[in-house]
Amino acid sequence: GAVVSQHPSRVICKSGTSVKIECRSLDFQATTMFWYRQFPKKSLMLMATSNEGSKATYEQGVEKDKFLINHASLTLSTLTVTSAHPEDSSFYICSARDPGTSGRTDTQYFGPGTRLTVL
Amino acid sequence: GIQVEQSPPDLILQEGANSTLRCNFSDSVNNLQWFHQNPWGQLINLFYIPSGTKQNGRLSATTVATERYSLLYISSSQTTDSGVYFCAVMRGSTLGRLYFGRGTQLTVWP
Repeated sequence: GAVVSQHPSRVICKSGTSVKIECRSLDFQATTMFWYRQFPKKSLMLMATSNEGSKATYEQGVEKDKFLINHASLTLSTLTVTSAHPEDSSFYICSARDPGTSGRTDTQYFGPGTRLTVL
Repeated sequence: GIQVEQSPPDLILQEGANSTLRCNFSDSVNNLQWFHQNPWGQLINLFYIPSGTKQNGRLSATTVATERYSLLYISSSQTTDSGVYFCAVMRGSTLGRLYFGRGTQLTVWP
């Protein structure tokens, strides 16, 4: 199957600092990428939808100035958690949509996730 | 948005047992995927199955789109099957957004 990478896999930072997380589709061009947050023993919560070359669409309740998303190319999207606080500690997961060209079906592939701990 | 319900929420099995996980959804969909989240958090695609039946080794899945449910079958379960199984659906109008169920936590004991 298609591969999506995410970096870093784990980050620990001090309160007030900013953290950037990268999401890359390695063997296909992703028209759309998604950013999720997952709390322990909970389902995935969609934070925002990112389309290449345009502004991200944020879900209700997600602060766009807090969680900056940039989708610079068809293979790279970044999530920056600005001025992180302990309540931002969570597991962040990206996914990339393969729209189904070249014989593939319209499917989403997920990165391995980034565990953020804010002290 | 569309509602996705999974059952059971928790399942504990002895190695070698079979199991069936269920996913109900509240509206018509054009995509349904089953995922396995391993203990390290990685979501692994199991099936893309908007309708019909597919099999992959010990796993198989059936989606009855007209009745708005999907089933995931795990036969001869192994300890490595442990983890959370998610069902997620997509509607054509939502530009790729997946709606997730709450998952089934499966624990397989040796």
